[in-house]
Amino acid sequence: GQNIDQPTEMTATEGAIVQINCTYQTSGFNGLFWYQQHAGEAPTFLSYNVLDGLEEKGRFSSFLSRSKGYSYLLLKELQMKDSASYLCAVDNTNAGKSTFGDGTTLTVKP
Amino acid sequence: ETGVTQTPRHLVMGMTNKKSLKCEQHLGHNAMYWYKQSAKKPLELMFVYSLEERVENNSVPSRFSPECPNSSHLFLHLHTLQPEDSALYLCASSQDSAGGGSGANVLTFGAGSRLTVL
Repeated sequence: GQNIDQPTEMTATEGAIVQINCTYQTSGFNGLFWYQQHAGEAPTFLSYNVLDGLEEKGRFSSFLSRSKGYSYLLLKELQMKDSASYLCAVDNTNAGKSTFGDGTTLTVKP
Repeated sequence: ETGVTQTPRHLVMGMTNKKSLKCEQHLGHNAMYWYKQSAKKPLELMFVYSLEERVENNSVPSRFSPECPNSSHLFLHLHTLQPEDSALYLCASSQDSAGGGSGANVLTFGAGSRLTVL
């Protein structure tokens, strides 16, 4: 089975930097995804890591350590529109399915 | 139309009703999925179809019955549901479901069907 942990809620200030952590335990690791979900909307893809290291995409970066079963999503220069739920999902070689964590609700305050 | 389209967006049904949720993807993807999203719970994978063949059925009660007539369309037939089945049902598609570490399993989600069972 898979066990994915991420904080339930986080609060940060506009313009600041926030790091959302995700730890996982899985067999057959095949990559890790981060998705963003605004209230009442569908999740949208943010990033994918399969090798150790940092992937940068504009204001968002994602890091992976396979040996530690650990990932984080780093959001820089926070904007009010970044208030959303951030979902960590681990991809498994069995049937290629992604298993999701509970999600972290980020609130950005002025 | 582009992306993944789900209908209806909202559905209210009684426990004795029979209804269906529809999903259509215009991305040329080979895999389609049904997920259930309840309040305070993680996204739960229900069914996976790859090239119209069901490859995953996550111990979902038989009152949920999926149908995939072709690689662009996916249905979820509902009958004799329970109030605890009230949730957001999300359809998603991906390039394929075979893994390989290539990121081909990136999911594109539809906007969801909000189901309320009375």
